[in-house]
Amino acid sequence: GAVVSQHPSWVICKSGTSVKIECRSLDFQATTMFWYRQFPKQSLMLMATSNEGSKATYEQGVEKDKFLINHASLTLSTLTVTSAHPEDSSFYICSALAGGVETQYFGPGTRLLVL
Amino acid sequence: GDSVTQMEGPVTLSEEAFLTINCTYTATGYPSLFWYVQYPGEGLQLLLKATKADDKGSNKGFEATYRKETTSFHLEKGSVQVSDSAVYFCALSRNSGNTPLVFGKGTRLSVIA
Repeated sequence: GAVVSQHPSWVICKSGTSVKIECRSLDFQATTMFWYRQFPKQSLMLMATSNEGSKATYEQGVEKDKFLINHASLTLSTLTVTSAHPEDSSFYICSALAGGVETQYFGPGTRLLVL
Repeated sequence: GDSVTQMEGPVTLSEEAFLTINCTYTATGYPSLFWYVQYPGEGLQLLLKATKADDKGSNKGFEATYRKETTSFHLEKGSVQVSDSAVYFCALSRNSGNTPLVFGKGTRLSVIA
């Protein structure tokens, strides 16, 4: 149990376009989801905390208008990278937290390459 | 702010060798400490955790002890297998795991037969 999926697993897009990444909890309801970003040979860095039915909380330095997060249901959170630029190329990973359980379940990640 | 430092890889070992991956942390108070593992093509999985000083987390032959005096949480395994080849992440959390994690950079382990 406790499986989290991400779609797509990788995406290549042109500069200036928008890309949507989905994070789904497949067999449990996630009241909270976290979005992380990982650059090559760097740590996973928290971008934002997404709570179902409310606005996401962004970490300092993360542009909320550029990285739009929507947590519309207890099983789905989406991250939209708007007007993507090459510097947005990275590995994006989500994790989901089930209510009452103190363990984060991670998705397999989405690799984004902006040309 | 909080931070985690772990040894850089890649680490290459022969099967049945002893493994140590060092991890130290900087945090105020008493964070919870974790080791996550990421197998190729998969998401991060919790390997083990410890929530207070001197606790030892263990799973699948891996162990790590929460050492507050040295602010360390080194991962060890007595005899590695090829199937242990993966990337290992040390992490901390202000609470037991329901708050965002602060990760180290990850250490890639390759075990050869």
